[in-house]
Amino acid sequence: QVQLVESGGGLVKPGGSLRLSCAASGFTFSDYYMSWIRQAPGKGLEWVSYISGSGTTIYYADSVKGRFTISRDNAKNSLYLQMNSLRAEDTAVYYCARVTSVSHDYWGQGTLVTVSS
Amino acid sequence: DIQMTQSPSSLSASVGDRVTITCRASQSITTYLNWYQQQPGKAPKLLIYAASSLQSGVTSRFSGSGSGTDFTLTISSLQPEDFATYYCQQSYSTPYTFGQGTKLEIK
Repeated sequence: QVQLVESGGGLVKPGGSLRLSCAASGFTFSDYYMSWIRQAPGKGLEWVSYISGSGTTIYYADSVKGRFTISRDNAKNSLYLQMNSLRAEDTAVYYCARVTSVSHDYWGQGTLVTVSS
Repeated sequence: DIQMTQSPSSLSASVGDRVTITCRASQSITTYLNWYQQQPGKAPKLLIYAASSLQSGVTSRFSGSGSGTDFTLTISSLQPEDFATYYCQQSYSTPYTFGQGTKLEIK
C-alpha cells in the first residue's frame, strides 16, 4: 500500500533553515510527480511546490520562491524540501503528497515546522 | 492565480441529512477540480477527482458535479464520520489553489 512518511520538522528561529524529508513506499516513486502542501495552525491548505518524477520540472508558490528548494532522490524513494530564510508565517504542518494527472491522491501524516524566537 | 471560493464556510446538519457544498473558480478550470475531506488532526483525504470521479475506496454517499467555474460536492445521507472540513482544489494550473474550507458540524 502507498505510504508517505514525513520527517525533519521542529522549532527554528526566524532566518534559520530546516530540511524536510518524505519517505515513500508502496509504489514506483520515480513514476510520479510529488508535492509539498502546508497548513498553518487553524488555517486552510496551501500548495507549496511540486517536482516531476525525473526532477527536471519544478514549480513553487510565490510565497516560498527563492527560499525553498524541492528535490528528490529516486534511488532512496525520498522527497525533500530545503527551507531557508524561514519566517514566522512559514509555521505550519507540511505534508508531502503524491500527484496524479489531476489530483493529490495520497498524503503523508505531516510534520510540524514552528518558526519562532 | 486562480481563486477558489467555497460556500458556506460552515454548516450545521444532522445525521441523515443531504448536504451540498459549492466551490467557485475565478476562471474556467474545465473539470480540474478535486474535493478533499480533513478530519481534525489528520491529513486530507481525496474524495472526488476531476469534478465527478469517486476516488477508489470512498463511499458512494459522496458525489461531485460541475464544470467550468461552478462545482458542487454532495453528501447524500450524512453519517457521523462525515463531520469534518472539506476543501476544493483546482489542478488546472499552478499554483494549485484550494478553497478556504467548509466545516461541517453536527446540529
